[in-house]
Parts: sequence; structure tokens; C-alpha cells
Amino acid sequence: EIVLTQSPGTLSLSPGERATLSCRASQSVSSSYLAWYQQKPGQAPRLLIYGASSRATGIPDRFSGSGSGTDFTLTISRLEPEDFAVYYCQQYGSSPGWTFGQGTKVEIK
Amino acid sequence: QVQLVESGGGVVQPGRSLRLSCAASGFTFSSYGMHWVRQAPGKGLEWVAVIWYDGSNKYYADSVKGRFTISRDNSKNTLFLQMNSLRADDTAVYYCARDLTMIVVAMGYWGQGTLVTVSS
Repeated sequence: EIVLTQSPGTLSLSPGERATLSCRASQSVSSSYLAWYQQKPGQAPRLLIYGASSRATGIPDRFSGSGSGTDFTLTISRLEPEDFAVYYCQQYGSSPGWTFGQGTKVEIK
Repeated sequence: QVQLVESGGGVVQPGRSLRLSCAASGFTFSSYGMHWVRQAPGKGLEWVAVIWYDGSNKYYADSVKGRFTISRDNSKNTLFLQMNSLRADDTAVYYCARDLTMIVVAMGYWGQGTLVTVSS
């Protein structure tokens, strides 16, 4: 089973700053099968990025995904007030199975 | 627009069973793979199960294998999760989710979730 480790656990930033979130896999992951989700309190998750770097419909271009192999990154270029939330990476691998990282909370500094 | 509405959650005693439903609308239900994902209180997301668009394949997380069964009724646009031998650590909000496209393996649409509490 592939384990996804996200870092940092919490990111404290101010609106307008750049956020860089990391997702590291215990084994190589196909870029086609790496996604990022945003979740706000009391809400369902929302797909942001799929295929490691493709933005889902309606996602602002300040969100970008990159990476390959075992190291993936979600970047928010300039934080807006509505971006403070928890972010999860997810992969689909052999077994088959889907696994999520433990999440990174982006909080207001 | 795509809509997924879960139901069937509630409080249940350990060892008992519960059946969750997810009513789908706004898309051709029979064309998409569907998932159940859960989230324990204050915790992260955990994938539970997936069923192929035609019901031909079903896969489960190790934590629920042998206890939970995913199924679907394409004539009624409904997804199900039969949960047996429930345990306290099954307490969670259960979400149904749809694959983004018939090719893209990412959960593009989610319901609002239904809370299952396993407690005596």
C-alpha cells in the first residue's frame, strides 16, 4: 500500500502570501493518479487538481500542482481569505486502492 | 448539475448493521464509477470502497473488507453501502463521490455526507 505523507501539518500564513504544500509518496505514483482536494469546516471536500497538475473546472489559476514520482506539490500563489482550509493529496494505485494524505491545514497567521 | 445526496446515517449499536444510500441526479449515473469515503470526527479522509460504472468490479479498504458491501442500482440512480458488524471506529461522516470523468481517476463530485455513529 502506498502511503502519502503531507508536510507541513499546519502552515500559518497571511493573505497575499504564497503557500507551498508537499505530498510525498512511499512508492512512485503515476502523475495521472495524483489529486489534491480542499476541505473547509463542515463541508465536503472539493477537487482542486487532478493528474498532478490539471485544475478542475472553476478552480482559480492561483492554484497549481506539480511533481512526479514520489514528490508532489500544491502551490497557492497568493492566498485569498477563502483559501484557508485543509488540503489533502490523494493517489490511486495498485491493489487497486485509493489513499489520502493526512492533510495540511492552512491557517491565518 | 451533478447532485449527490446521502441518507441512512444515524446512531447504531456495535455489531449491528446499517445501509447507506446515495441518490444521484444531473448526470448519467450508469456511466461513472462511484466511491464511498469517510471521515471520523476531527480526522482526515479515508477511502472506503469503489464500484465500477456497471457494477462489475468492487474494491474495499482493508479496514472494511468482509464487513461492508458497496452496490448500485443504475435503474434508480442510487449507490448503496451495506455496513455490517459495525464497530466504534466506523463512526464517521460517510460521503459518496463520483469519478470526475469516465477516464480521470479523481473524485470530482461529492455529496454532503451522512453521519454514522456507532455507540452503545
